Amino acid sequence: EVQLVESGGVVVQPGGSLRLSCAASGFTFDDYAMHWVRQAPGKGLEWVSLISWDGGSTYYADSVKGRFTISRDNSKNSLYLQMNSLRAEDTALYYCAKDNGDGYNSYYFDYWGQGTLVTVSS
Amino acid sequence: NFMLTQPHSVSESPGKTVTISCTGSSGSIASNYVQWYQQRPGSAPTTVIYEDNQRPSGVPDRFSGSIDSSSNSASLTISGLKTEDEADYYCQSYDSSNQRGVFGGGTKLTVL
Repeated sequence: EVQLVESGGVVVQPGGSLRLSCAASGFTFDDYAMHWVRQAPGKGLEWVSLISWDGGSTYYADSVKGRFTISRDNSKNSLYLQMNSLRAEDTALYYCAKDNGDGYNSYYFDYWGQGTLVTVSS
Repeated sequence: NFMLTQPHSVSESPGKTVTISCTGSSGSIASNYVQWYQQRPGSAPTTVIYEDNQRPSGVPDRFSGSIDSSSNSASLTISGLKTEDEADYYCQSYDSSNQRGVFGGGTKLTVL
């Protein structure tokens, strides 16, 4: 059974930093790209970032580019999101999601975690 | 940048059929696959349609997806509506010009 468990969400002040983690199990982690998707309270889904299966390629939404860094450790079956220069508008539930493509980026999110809440507030 | 536009809300009665549209802003929506996700309050999204018209195992055949190139839109159709179908539905694809994922704004389906 595929499981994705996010952690690291807390209340942080504007301008602060935070690192989210996602522990994956139930599939061969290093065969698949992974994504972060966020959802602000009462709002829709927003794609944040993708990292390829080998970590060699990363892509970001304009809203986070230059502030957030996605990474992965395939030896630990883990995905990360380093978030710097946080703003109030970054407040959201952050989901990690598995890409469906085996060895390529399909941009079809076939499994999701339950999310971790990041609140940016003074 | 490529965007997807959905109606904010739709409503229909139990047993009826409803169609939710998802219109692409530019280029051809048929160039990349479209997925549809269902999200109930307090839960993570789950897939109801992937690759334009494929249903994951466990999703009833009351759910179907299609692409209309003439209107540059995708559609999710739910027939035989049940109260349990009441949820938010999101279409999703990606912008191949910049390798970014794209979601529609979401449609709240009310079954009453």
